[in-house]
Amino acid sequence: AQTVTQSQPEMSVQEAETVTLSCTYDTSESDYYLFWYKQPPSRQMILVIRQEAYKQQNATENRFSVNFQKAAKSFSLKISDSQLGDAAMYFCAYRSASTGNQFYFGTGTSLTVIP
Amino acid sequence: GAGVSQTPSNKVTEKGKYVELRCDPISGHTALYWYRQSLGQGPEFLIYFQGTGAADDSGLPNDRFFAVRPEGSVSTLKIQRTERGDSAVYLCASSQNRDGRTNEKLFFGSGTQLSVL
Repeated sequence: AQTVTQSQPEMSVQEAETVTLSCTYDTSESDYYLFWYKQPPSRQMILVIRQEAYKQQNATENRFSVNFQKAAKSFSLKISDSQLGDAAMYFCAYRSASTGNQFYFGTGTSLTVIP
Repeated sequence: GAGVSQTPSNKVTEKGKYVELRCDPISGHTALYWYRQSLGQGPEFLIYFQGTGAADDSGLPNDRFFAVRPEGSVSTLKIQRTERGDSAVYLCASSQNRDGRTNEKLFFGSGTQLSVL
């Protein structure tokens, strides 16, 4: 099974500053999807950003962008101009494009935004 | 409905009891997933439905766990003889099926917090 590793259990950032959350994964596949999900205290997982592995261009969604390094199997999330509402757990996830329908999640990073 | 709905939001039960957790996916979504999230962990896959059938139940931990989706919409996760180790948040997610292939974008519910005393 694929594994997803988030090595930062907790991170903090000053409001309006930039923070980067790290994620690495292990796979032998060449075609897959990578995701960052946000989980606030309400428990509902919300999709932040998605990257297709065959695309070289890094995905961007407003203040959120990724640094996708396929050879290094690295997929970090950058949050610019951090806002208080960004405080949450962030999970990195992997899904194969061809084999099975499972999403594999990391253990999460708890982000605190300091006013 | 507008989003994935899970009931109850919280469930407290005693060791050995039987529980049912309900998931109402987004209308039209043919794919439905159950995940379990233990404290301090990421969600772990339990089972995946495509329509009415369980396409992949490899994540169910043992035969005390069972899930159904009889009409291809609402799903129920059933846990028999609950144990304290079953305490977790149980998340449901749904997804569209596009061009015969499950869309990779999941929509999650808010989960059911199960506490086994």
